[in-house]
Amino acid sequence: KQEVTQIPAALSVPEGENLVLNCSFTDSAIYNLQWFRQDPGKGLTSLLLIQSSQREQTSGRLNASLDKSSGRSTLYIAASQPGDSATYLCAVKPRNNNDMRFGAGTRLTVKP
Amino acid sequence: NAGVTQTPKFQVLKTGQSMTLQCAQDMNHEYMSWYRQDPGMGLRLIHYSVGAGITDQGEVPNGYNVSRSTTEDFPLRLLSAAPSQTSVYFCASSFRDTLTEAFFGQGTRLTVV
Repeated sequence: KQEVTQIPAALSVPEGENLVLNCSFTDSAIYNLQWFRQDPGKGLTSLLLIQSSQREQTSGRLNASLDKSSGRSTLYIAASQPGDSATYLCAVKPRNNNDMRFGAGTRLTVKP
Repeated sequence: NAGVTQTPKFQVLKTGQSMTLQCAQDMNHEYMSWYRQDPGMGLRLIHYSVGAGITDQGEVPNGYNVSRSTTEDFPLRLLSAAPSQTSVYFCASSFRDTLTEAFFGQGTRLTVV
């Protein structure tokens, strides 16, 4: 069974800092990995989707990497802003079923 | 663009009551799914559908039913609500199963007393 872990559960940084969020998964047989943002009381917004054949994806100040062999992904946020404060979740799509597996998320707070 | 619309946003049920959570998408997506989100556990898949007339179970299907009579709608039915079903429920859709970007609704916060 695929397990997805995100550490730390919470992170607080000052504005302007570059930061890295971590996601690890136990089974490397995946189709893709997605990073989502969730604001309090809201739904999930997809940030980046990395297919299994890709090593990274970039969107603005966000860069996500994927190392399938080691079961790891990172989300890099450059020059963090208070508006980046949210919970960030990663999810993997295993090859053996239709179930997208989510981590529990990292709650990020960027202090002005 | 409406995207994925869920109703209601909040609901309180008594144990044993039944209800239907509504989900509609206007993006002509084939794949739709229901998740529940509980504190510290991430999202868990309840049921999913790869197209009209086709549904299947996810990780935690017990106590829930779904149907997919149209491409746009994917309602989730709670047959006899239990306190363990207190959770936040999210509906999601994507163009084709989960190989493409997933779009989520705003969620339904359900409390069973």
